[in-house]
Amino acid sequence: AQSVTQLGSHVSVSEGALVLLRCNYSSSVPPYLFWYVQYPNQGLQLLLKYTSAATLVKGINGFEAEFKKSETSFHLTKPSAHMSDAAEYFCAVSGSLAAGNKLTFGGGTRVLVKP
Amino acid sequence: NAGVTQTPKFRVLKTGQSMTLLCAQDMNHEYMYWYRQDPGMGLRLIHYSVGEGTTAKGEVPDGYNVSRLKKQNFLLGLESAAPSQTSVYFCASSFRDRAQETQYFGPGTRLLVL
Repeated sequence: AQSVTQLGSHVSVSEGALVLLRCNYSSSVPPYLFWYVQYPNQGLQLLLKYTSAATLVKGINGFEAEFKKSETSFHLTKPSAHMSDAAEYFCAVSGSLAAGNKLTFGGGTRVLVKP
Repeated sequence: NAGVTQTPKFRVLKTGQSMTLLCAQDMNHEYMYWYRQDPGMGLRLIHYSVGEGTTAKGEVPDGYNVSRLKKQNFLLGLESAAPSQTSVYFCASSFRDRAQETQYFGPGTRLLVL
């Protein structure tokens, strides 16, 4: 069984400020972890993923996330927010290959960027 | 290379009507998935398929059926639509190899059931 909790359904940041989105997971197998971004009226786009290699993962658009096994966390950060970062962000955990690589998603965090 | 496409983009149904949502992918992916997205609940898996002719239930399968007759297509059917099925539906696909298991998503289908 696996689950994902994203703390904060809405986050407001000023342009140029740090973006921090929190994600905690539970998984009965070594997890693969993902962050996806969804812009208005669009599908989901992969930002980055952790697949048991380096614990600090760099993604597109300046985002990065750190896998911390001891804390069961995979928080997403970006040093300086841009207006184009306004979107909804989803953290997801993947189960085993035998389970069809199914993803379990968190509830999402909507990011508002203030000028 | 179109990736994952979904038809239709938007549909309005009356309670009790039926419809089929079509998902197509041109990336030769083995696995395909149907999700629904509702506010505050993220995406929840309805059904998935690990290969042609094989389907399995996800987290919220009730009221839906699926078929995968061809590797590139995955159909989601609603036999008797209910207002609770008003949602945005996303299809996704991925390779079987866990090292390449990124799921690629379609643009979504907005369904309103009156």
